[in-house]
Amino acid sequence: AQSVAQPEDQVNVAEGNPLTVKCTYSVSGNPYLFWYVQYPNRGLQFLLKYITGDNLVKGSYGFEAEFNKSQTSFHLKKPSALVSDSALYFCAVLNSGGYQKVTFGTGTKLQVIP
Amino acid sequence: EAGVTQFPSHSVIEKGQTVTLRCDPISGHDNLYWYRRVMGKEIKFLLHFVKESKQDESGMPNNRFLAERTGGTYSTLKVQPAELEDSGVYFCASSEFDRAGYTFGSGTRLTVV
Repeated sequence: AQSVAQPEDQVNVAEGNPLTVKCTYSVSGNPYLFWYVQYPNRGLQFLLKYITGDNLVKGSYGFEAEFNKSQTSFHLKKPSALVSDSALYFCAVLNSGGYQKVTFGTGTKLQVIP
Repeated sequence: EAGVTQFPSHSVIEKGQTVTLRCDPISGHDNLYWYRRVMGKEIKFLLHFVKESKQDESGMPNNRFLAERTGGTYSTLKVQPAELEDSGVYFCASSEFDRAGYTFGSGTRLTVV
């Protein structure tokens, strides 16, 4: 079985400060990892993914995430937060081997304070 | 390229009524998925179509839920009869390959009162 943990229900950060949204995963094989964002009254939007290769993945809107195999983590980061980054962020995992479906975490609400 | 389209965007129905949600995937995407997020919890898998066939329906909560994908194009998800606990946001996603990463629709917010 595969699972994703997002330990923080909400993260508050001041505008201009760096932000981190945490994600850890559990999967039996090699993981494919994803971050999605849901803005208010909008659907889920793809931010970035890790499949293989460089552990630091860059995505949309200046976000990046670092794959850490030893810590089974895939934290989402941004050097300087914007008020418009305020949204709900979901981490997701997929086992690279065999049939699986994407498993999502519970989501983290990011609040960027002006 | 048009994205994944879902409608309605919102639906409010009374307990016991029937609701049908529709999803139009990206053209050419054989894989279509339904997910649901209920009351601030995680986004949970409901089922997966490959073309018109159900690859995996292990996440369907009970037999009040019926999903179809006739002709391998759009899909419908019918809830009959709806219960209060069915309230949530229903997301549809499609992908070309089953590990390509999904493109999600904007979701249907279902409220059962």
